[in-house]
Amino acid sequence: GAGVSQSPSNKVTEKGKDVELRCDPISGHTALYWYRQSLGQGLEFLIYFQGNSAPDKSGLPSDRFSAERTGGSVSTLTIQRTQQEDSAVYLCASSLEATGYGYTFGSGTRLTVV
Amino acid sequence: AQRVTQPEKLLSVFKGAPVELKCNYSYSGSPELFWYVQYSRQRLQLLLRHISRESIKGFTADLNKGETSFHLKKPFAQEEDSAMYYCALHYQAGTALIFGKGTTLSVSS
Repeated sequence: GAGVSQSPSNKVTEKGKDVELRCDPISGHTALYWYRQSLGQGLEFLIYFQGNSAPDKSGLPSDRFSAERTGGSVSTLTIQRTQQEDSAVYLCASSLEATGYGYTFGSGTRLTVV
Repeated sequence: AQRVTQPEKLLSVFKGAPVELKCNYSYSGSPELFWYVQYSRQRLQLLLRHISRESIKGFTADLNKGETSFHLKKPFAQEEDSAMYYCALHYQAGTALIFGKGTTLSVSS
């Protein structure tokens, strides 16, 4: 597609429920990144994919968080047993390669846990 | 560990005043540094990178390795500069950008 697409744009869920956030990167971009944006914490790195593998998942805050990428394209970030502190905007970005340059960000998914 | 520090959460200036958004990093090697900007209701986008040594929308940033800083400057702020600014570091191929916590710039008339 023309840009990085994320869905849903907004998600309200009850505490304890599982949620799935989707990212559709730019076609041909081999690198894909998930970040979490929240007030006071800025932009926190969560996980990075090169193709379908995740060389760096050091930013995942707990084992409730997981992510996968299939076909070198779409990625899904799953949060199990959501907590109120998970409320944030989850941003996805993609780039041709993991060089630090050429990131294109999606518009994010705003997650609210009530 | 590599880190990016933006000491100011909020910077408020008047239109026409000079602006300096501070960014310090911790990395002993030669990193690539970037500034990203997010305007209201828009996506995060690249503003400039130190390698390019260019001026974008009147903003410049110089990498000072001695002080491990990459401050963003503009001599005369405009109201349309109001946005969230993030400094970011890339230190090694095959790794993701590391962002600071961001600074909100508010320019009023």
